[in-house]
Order: sequence, then structure tokens, then C-alpha cells
Amino acid sequence: SAVISQKPSRDICQRGTSLTIQCQVDSQVTMMFWYRQQPGQSLTLIATANQGSEATYESGFVIDKFPISRPNLTFSTLTVSNMSPEDSSIYLCSVQLNTEAFFGQGTRLTVV
Amino acid sequence: QKEVEQNSGPLSVPEGAIASLNCTYSDRGSQSFFWYRQYSGKSPELIMFIYSNGDKEDGRFTAQLNKASQYVSLLIRDSQPSDSATYLCAIRSGGSYIPTFGRGTSLIVHP
Repeated sequence: SAVISQKPSRDICQRGTSLTIQCQVDSQVTMMFWYRQQPGQSLTLIATANQGSEATYESGFVIDKFPISRPNLTFSTLTVSNMSPEDSSIYLCSVQLNTEAFFGQGTRLTVV
Repeated sequence: QKEVEQNSGPLSVPEGAIASLNCTYSDRGSQSFFWYRQYSGKSPELIMFIYSNGDKEDGRFTAQLNKASQYVSLLIRDSQPSDSATYLCAIRSGGSYIPTFGRGTSLIVHP
């Protein structure tokens, strides 16, 4: 199994500002994933973060809005930039070991 | 476009009853099927996975897969109030390491 520490757990931010979410895994993993979960909706993949290369973004998500860092095999950050109320959501980091996905505790973001 | 469909519910069952949760998918190349449970305010956790047609049982949980009809279901026997949560269906195709999640079904087990 994998233990993922994600922080902050929640934040309330002013529109136009940026928030960086951190994710620390207790083992080395090649890929880390960042998801968004809006109320009543499914998990939507934002991007896949690989160590040593740029993240791969899914359709509808761009690097300027969601820059990602992956400095080593146990750590990643996701920044939500120039926030608007539409960015209010839960953001989750995830890793996969064998076939199972493990998730961080999530960051509940409210933009006012 | 890979789609995973679930009825959002809520599905309400009395304590002790069988809860039946269903999921359909569009990609015939799907090979791995997962059920995650997500309590309110918590992150998802894996409860079952199934790869082959038929039934797979684990305690009070049974996953059922029918690839010809493209559906996977989760049965929870002897439902308990602690089973109240959102259940997410997730599916991986053979060519991808990333699962596609359904929007989840909210289950309420009332005493």
C-alpha cells in the first residue's frame, strides 16, 4: 500500500490568487496523478506528473493554470493559478501500486 | 471517449438488506474494473476489483462483471449504516494505466 500526505486539507482563497497543494508519498513512484472532484461529480484527471519531465495534461487543463512540479520520486505539487470561484473543488493527488489507486486526503478549495 | 455511467442516487436501503450498485461502460477494451468507497469528506478507498466475467466475493461484498453487456455491479449483503457512502466505479482499458471513474452512487443505509 501507499500512504500519501496531502496539504493543505482545506483553504479559502481570494479570487486572482494562487494556491500550491503538496503531496508526499511514503514510497518512490514513477507517476503521480492530480484529480479534481467537483460537488456531485466524478474524479476528473487534471494531469500526470512524471519525475524529470513535464507533466502531461488532460484535455481542458493547461500548464499555465495548473503548473505541476515533480522534483523527485516521492513528492509533487499542483498550483491552482489566478483562481476564480469556478476553481472551487476538491483536489486529490493519487499514485498507483500494481492496479490499485491510492489517494491523498484531498484539498477542499473554496474561492471567494 | 471512454464513459463510465452510474446512477447518482441516492440509493436508500434498510439495514440488513442487500444494496445493489450498478455501473455501465462504453469501452469494450476495458479489462480492469474497480469499486471504490468514498465517505463524505474523505478520499476514495478501494474495496473490490474484478478482471474476469462472473462473480467475485469478499466478505459482504460481491462484484459481478458481464463484459458482453458491458456492466459491472457491486452487491453489499447485510447492509449496515456504516456502509453509507458514495461508491465509485472505475475502469481501466488494456492500453491505459489510468482508470476512468464514474460519478458515483450515493448509498444510504437507514436503521
